[in-house]
Amino acid sequence: KQEVTQIPAALSVPEGENLVLNCSFTDSAIYNLQWFRQDPGKGLTSLLLIQSSQREQTSGRLNASLDKSSGRSTLYIAASQPGDSATYLCAVGGTSYGKLTFGQGTILTVHP
Amino acid sequence: ETGVTQSPTHLIKTRGQQVTLRCSSQSGHNTVSWYQQALGQGPQFIFQYYREEENGRGNFPPRFSGLQFPNYSSELNVNALELDDSALYLCASSGDRGSWTEAFFGQGTRLTVV
Repeated sequence: KQEVTQIPAALSVPEGENLVLNCSFTDSAIYNLQWFRQDPGKGLTSLLLIQSSQREQTSGRLNASLDKSSGRSTLYIAASQPGDSATYLCAVGGTSYGKLTFGQGTILTVHP
Repeated sequence: ETGVTQSPTHLIKTRGQQVTLRCSSQSGHNTVSWYQQALGQGPQFIFQYYREEENGRGNFPPRFSGLQFPNYSSELNVNALELDDSALYLCASSGDRGSWTEAFFGQGTRLTVV
């Protein structure tokens, strides 16, 4: 059974800092890994999708890496802004049908 | 913003009642998945529908059921509501049934059972 863990559970940083969010998973037989952002009470916004054959993906100030063999992914956010404050979720797709297994998320607060 | 829309956005039901939640998938997508997200938790997979048939199911009881229509929109039905069913229900659409495709989520339906 796939289990996904995110560390830290919460993070508070001053504006402008570079930061790293961590995600680990127990079963390395995955198709892909997605990072999502969730604002309070809202749905999920896809940030980055990394296929199992890829090592990283970049979008603007965001960079996600994947080390499938060690069961780890990191989301790097450069030059953080207050608007980045949200919950960040990672999810792995590892079955023949489209089930995503999610971590519990990291609550990020960026203060001015 | 994705093309996945859910309705209603909020609703309140009484324990024992039945509820139907609706999801309109993104154009061109034939697969819809439903997730339940309790407060402070990550989403949990309920089931997936691919071309009008259930294609996979998580650890949820049979009182959670679904439908997918020829236009690929979908419904989630929950019978005999319990207090623990209070959660944010998320719908995701994708272009194929496999985990290798990207999932796009709607804004969710907040269900409160009293």
